[in-house]
Amino acid sequence: AQSVTQLDSQVPVFEEAPVELRCNYSSSVSVYLFWYVQYPNQGLQLLLKYLSGSTLVKGINGFEAEFNKSQTSFHLRKPSVHISDTAEYFCAVTPNTGGFKTIFGAGTRLFVKA
Amino acid sequence: TAGITQAPTSQILAAGRSMTLRCTQDMRHNAMYWYRQDLGLGLRLIHYSNTAGTTGKGEVPDGYSVSRANTDDFPLTLASAVPSQTSVYFCASRRDRGNDGELFFGEGSRLTVL
Repeated sequence: AQSVTQLDSQVPVFEEAPVELRCNYSSSVSVYLFWYVQYPNQGLQLLLKYLSGSTLVKGINGFEAEFNKSQTSFHLRKPSVHISDTAEYFCAVTPNTGGFKTIFGAGTRLFVKA
Repeated sequence: TAGITQAPTSQILAAGRSMTLRCTQDMRHNAMYWYRQDLGLGLRLIHYSNTAGTTGKGEVPDGYSVSRANTDDFPLTLASAVPSQTSVYFCASRRDRGNDGELFFGEGSRLTVL
């Protein structure tokens, strides 16, 4: 079984400041890792994903995440946020063998202040 | 491209009534999923279907049923709604090419059970 823990339910930050949204996971099998973003009253859309290879992955809108296997973490970062980054961010894992049932974390609400 | 279309967008339902949430995709993806989103809990998998004609139970299947008569449609039925089923429901599909588990989401259906 898999589980995902997003360590912060809300992250307030000023515009142009850096931000890190933390995600830890547990799994008995190898997984793919994802970050999805949800803007108000919309569905989720993919921000970035880690499948294999380089542990630093870059996504849309200037976000990046680093996979750390020893710490079972996949933290999301952005060096300078904009007001438009205000949204809910979900970390997710999917077993990479069979089933592909994706498990989501509880979400982190990023609130960017002017 | 439409992607995934969900209907209705919003619905208020009396407890004990039945309701079917509709989901249609035009991407010809084999795998489809139903999630519910609740504050502080993230998205939880209700039911899934890996291909037309097959379905499976997710984390929170009780009180819900699904069918998958063809590739495009994956309706979710509440036979006798209860207030705890008040939630936002998201339908998703998984891209087959690349087999990496990335999900594509609809805009959601907000259901209130009174």
